[in-house]
This record gives sequence, structure tokens and C-alpha cells, in this order.
Amino acid sequence: DTGVSQNPRHKITKRGQNVTFRCDPISEHNRLYWYRQTLGQGPEFLTYFQNEAQLEKSRLLSDRFSAERPKGSFSTLEIQRTEQGDSAMYLCASSFGGGEGGPSYEQYFGPGTRLTVT
Amino acid sequence: AQTVTQSQPEMSVQEAETVTLSCTYDTSESDYYLFWYKQPPSRQMILVIRQEAYKQQNATENRFSVNFQKAAKSFSLKISDSQLGDAAMYFCAYVQGAQKLVFGQGTRLTINP
Repeated sequence: DTGVSQNPRHKITKRGQNVTFRCDPISEHNRLYWYRQTLGQGPEFLTYFQNEAQLEKSRLLSDRFSAERPKGSFSTLEIQRTEQGDSAMYLCASSFGGGEGGPSYEQYFGPGTRLTVT
Repeated sequence: AQTVTQSQPEMSVQEAETVTLSCTYDTSESDYYLFWYKQPPSRQMILVIRQEAYKQQNATENRFSVNFQKAAKSFSLKISDSQLGDAAMYFCAYVQGAQKLVFGQGTRLTINP
């Protein structure tokens, strides 16, 4: 078990460019979550998947944001036409949704991708 | 909507002493989970301790324990025998089922040697 991994760890981009981040969850976890964290604040929910289905999306998420989890394993988060206000840490987390032992509601976080929009 | 409030932006404690971090939450649900996460500077979020709302017994993990008061909707974290490695941002979080975590604003804990 290597934990949740995220790539890249840092991304600097110019305003108006598109960026894509990747998250690889813990292998047996079927739930995957994206959060955004700005400096000195707690993480805010963006969206989550159970297997390949996107089950919830935050009302705060603009149409410039899209997430996918095509095969129920890794996920990508794309931001189109980036703005300076998109600068933040983007966190991915995963959890185990069920099985013989029942679900676990603990979410395990990756190291995050820090986005800077200049 | 569920909310989580941490009223202490910063706390400090002497090494080897005990410190308590406060958290209150608001929900109309009866079945939920509460967590404390630790986020060291420039490092990833780590789960410290969890509490199931249906359990009356307070959770304990080594030097970390909680005081869960369901009626008061209070969930404080006590760190005993504080160590330098405990310095971090601590976040209280609420979840109902497999849904999103709702986080508080965080408390920055400083350990004085």
C-alpha cells in the first residue's frame, strides 16, 4: 500500500491556460474525493466519485472545472482558462466504500498539487 | 447544511504538557463521524483520531484522546505529553456516511521546547 499519490506536486501556469492534475488512490479504495485548500484555511469539497460515477459536485465548482475517473481507478481534475483565484492546493483523498468488513468513512489524503496562476 | 467551527486559530503549549483543541459542529443528523486531522507544514494531511457518533465512549489513540459531547455538539482533542513533532495545523472534520468531509478553519499548534 503506497498511499494516495498526486501529480504533479507543483504547477505554475499563466492565466488563461488549461491545467490537469492526476490522483492515484489507494488501490482497494473505490471512493475518491477532490478538495481545494487555500492558505490558512480548511479544505473545501469539490467533487467525489464512487468507482467511475461522479456522485456529487460542489455548487462552488465553476464550469471551468471538470473531473473524471474513467475506469474507477485514477482520477483527473482539469481546470480550463485558469484565473488567479484558482491558485490553491488541490487535494485528493480516497476511502473504502464497503465489503465484508463494511465501509470505512475515513478518508486518506495525498500530498496535494499546489497550483500557482500568474 | 453541516458546519464545523474551530474557535482557536492558534494555540501553543510547552513540550511535555497537555493541550486541548476545541471544535463544535452543527448537524440535524444522528448518525455521523467526526475526525481530527493533522497537517504539518508543507506535508500531507494525516488522520489522527476518529469518533463514531453512536458510540458513547470517547476515542483514544496513544497520546491523543477526544471529549465527545453529542448533545452539546462538541468534539475536542486532547494531546498529552506534547512533543515537538506535534506542531502542525489541526483540523476537525465531520462526515455523514460516504459523503464529503466538512472541515473547520483549523488551529495552528505550536510546541515550545
